[in-house]
Amino acid sequence: DAKTTQPNSMESNEEEPVHLPCNHSTISGTDYIHWYRQLPSQGPEYVIHGLTSNVNNRMASLAIAEDRKSSTLILHRATLRDAAVYYCILMEYGNKLVFGAGTILRVKS
Amino acid sequence: NAGVTQTPKFQVLKTGQSMTLQCAQDMNHEYMSWYRQDPGMGLRLIHYSVGAGITDQGEVPNGYNVSRSTTEDFPLRLLSAAPSQTSVYFCASSPSPIYEQYFGPGTRLTVT
Repeated sequence: DAKTTQPNSMESNEEEPVHLPCNHSTISGTDYIHWYRQLPSQGPEYVIHGLTSNVNNRMASLAIAEDRKSSTLILHRATLRDAAVYYCILMEYGNKLVFGAGTILRVKS
Repeated sequence: NAGVTQTPKFQVLKTGQSMTLQCAQDMNHEYMSWYRQDPGMGLRLIHYSVGAGITDQGEVPNGYNVSRSTTEDFPLRLLSAAPSQTSVYFCASSPSPIYEQYFGPGTRLTVT
């Protein structure tokens, strides 16, 4: 399984944009880039996914590098409810997720 | 839709006991998975299924059995509980081989 590398933790101010980076230099051509987040004492929650092009949805945007070796999850205006662990995962065809340690996002009011 | 449901929410077992963690989904999803999450760690895949009658092992399958007789249900059996299986267990489902997974609320298991 291809691996991802994320910072252990990041901090953001409320109402400001947050850029969460992820490196995946060994990504294969058919791996999808998925992002999930996990709030304390809850199950993971899907945020966004993409293959090659940048993606937007109501929760976030996903910017994918042209060589696909890195990506960035963008939260446009962080709120206190966005404080969570964010996981960047490469999904192979077949719907298997291999979680890493993720990035702990702290949001300051 | 109830989504993905898991029972029980909490369970305490003694070493050597067996039990079944239940997982059900009402979204007609073909793909279902079981994960465990130890304190301060990411999730690890135990077993998964790509449809009724088809299951396969994940990263940490030892000590666990699964079966998938219906699309809706994917129970996880602990054969002989050990303290190392103390963890939070999450079940997830997905409609396709590449789309997002929907997670249940988890079962917190303690083995003494």
